[in-house]
Amino acid sequence: AQTVTQSQPEMSVQEAETVTLSCTYDTSESDYYLFWYKQPPSRQMILVIRQEAYKQQNATENRFSVNFQKAAKSFSLKISDSQLGDAAMYFCAYCARAGSYQLTFGKGTKLSVIP
Amino acid sequence: DTAVSQTPKYLVTQMGNDKSIKCEQNLGHDTMYWYKQDSKKFLKIMFSYNNKELIINETVPNRFSPKSPDKAHLNLHINSLELGDSAVYFCASSRDLSPYNEQFFGPGTRLTVL
Repeated sequence: AQTVTQSQPEMSVQEAETVTLSCTYDTSESDYYLFWYKQPPSRQMILVIRQEAYKQQNATENRFSVNFQKAAKSFSLKISDSQLGDAAMYFCAYCARAGSYQLTFGKGTKLSVIP
Repeated sequence: DTAVSQTPKYLVTQMGNDKSIKCEQNLGHDTMYWYKQDSKKFLKIMFSYNNKELIINETVPNRFSPKSPDKAHLNLHINSLELGDSAVYFCASSRDLSPYNEQFFGPGTRLTVL
């Protein structure tokens, strides 16, 4: 069974600084997708960024980028120039390319942004 | 304008009651999901439907029964509610079953069982 581990239950960052959230996963699949979702206090989950495992190039979306290390099964999220609106729970998620089509989520990291 | 909507947003009820949560998406998506988020924020898939057909049915008690009258709706009915059912329930949708697709989430329904 696939598992997703986020080892940092809480993190904080100063406004305008950079923070990295960690995620590791366990799978025997070679082809899969990885995601970071954000859940602000409003509760609505929003996709931040996604990565296809067969692509070596790390995904980037504006201030958000990932460091995907396939051999190490690591998928960290870097947030640059942190803003107050970045404060939220961040969930790492995994989905195999074939099979059950279901997202497996990590337990989340609560990010606080200090003004 | 809301892409994925759920009603109600809050639900407080007594143990043993039966309740339903409704979900609608106006994105024209084929696939819809129900997730449960417990008090520790852990999010877990319960069901997924594709074109009104059940695709995933995780280990969920039979008291939980999803119903999809059409592609735009996936309702969740819960019988004989228990204290452990207290959680936030999220509905989501995606264009189709492709795992790469972004899932669009509703605002969640906070269920409290007393």
